[in-house]
Amino acid sequence: QSVLTQPPSVSGAPGQRVTISCTGSSSNIGAGYDVHWYQQLPGTAPKLLIYGNSNRPSGVPDRFSGSKSGTSASLAITGLQAEDEADYYCQSYDSSLSGPRVFGGGTKLTVL
Amino acid sequence: QVQLQESGPGLVKPSETLSLTCTVSGGSVSSGSYYWSWIRQPPGKGLEWIGYIYYSGSTNYNPSLKSRVTISVDTSKNQFSLKLSSVTAADTAVYYCARDSLTGVDYWGQGTLVTVSS
Repeated sequence: QSVLTQPPSVSGAPGQRVTISCTGSSSNIGAGYDVHWYQQLPGTAPKLLIYGNSNRPSGVPDRFSGSKSGTSASLAITGLQAEDEADYYCQSYDSSLSGPRVFGGGTKLTVL
Repeated sequence: QVQLQESGPGLVKPSETLSLTCTVSGGSVSSGSYYWSWIRQPPGKGLEWIGYIYYSGSTNYNPSLKSRVTISVDTSKNQFSLKLSSVTAADTAVYYCARDSLTGVDYWGQGTLVTVSS
């Protein structure tokens, strides 16, 4: 059971927009801690996709965007492409006994 | 460009200690700007943060693993290491070493699969 809750799967057709939610609590996202997002392509290490809730590292297309409100965060992907098919993870920080760094359970994005 | 590379046995027997080392190139584990983390991923499952070490040697561990985990740093070799004791099949996973900061985990090793089996 992950501290941060993500939907197990989402899907969308090429060109569409999809969102992935990440729900936490008052000890992590709701406490004001930043949320980061990672993309993991099959058989590879995760890659930082969004940091500090809404910032993109150099090289990440602007089709990817992040937001945060209250105890939740969201990752949006517009103009869906076949190469976006991957697992996506949110990560934040926690002040409870869960440990200082916590991940979501991951969301599998399928491009139809 | 920072690179991290995990090394260590791919097979560990139940009840024994898993030991992995991460060699960092293109950056220094002595940098005060970063935490050096271990993260694992059981086959077909999600990511689990194991713990981190700061260049000063201070550590922080996942409470669920704390009693079995030790992370250490060797600044002379630009390496940091993970020891996980009393392993069981549930510890079978791909283990990643990574560079961590408050702006996310920006560099990851390629990962190494460690299987716990007799």
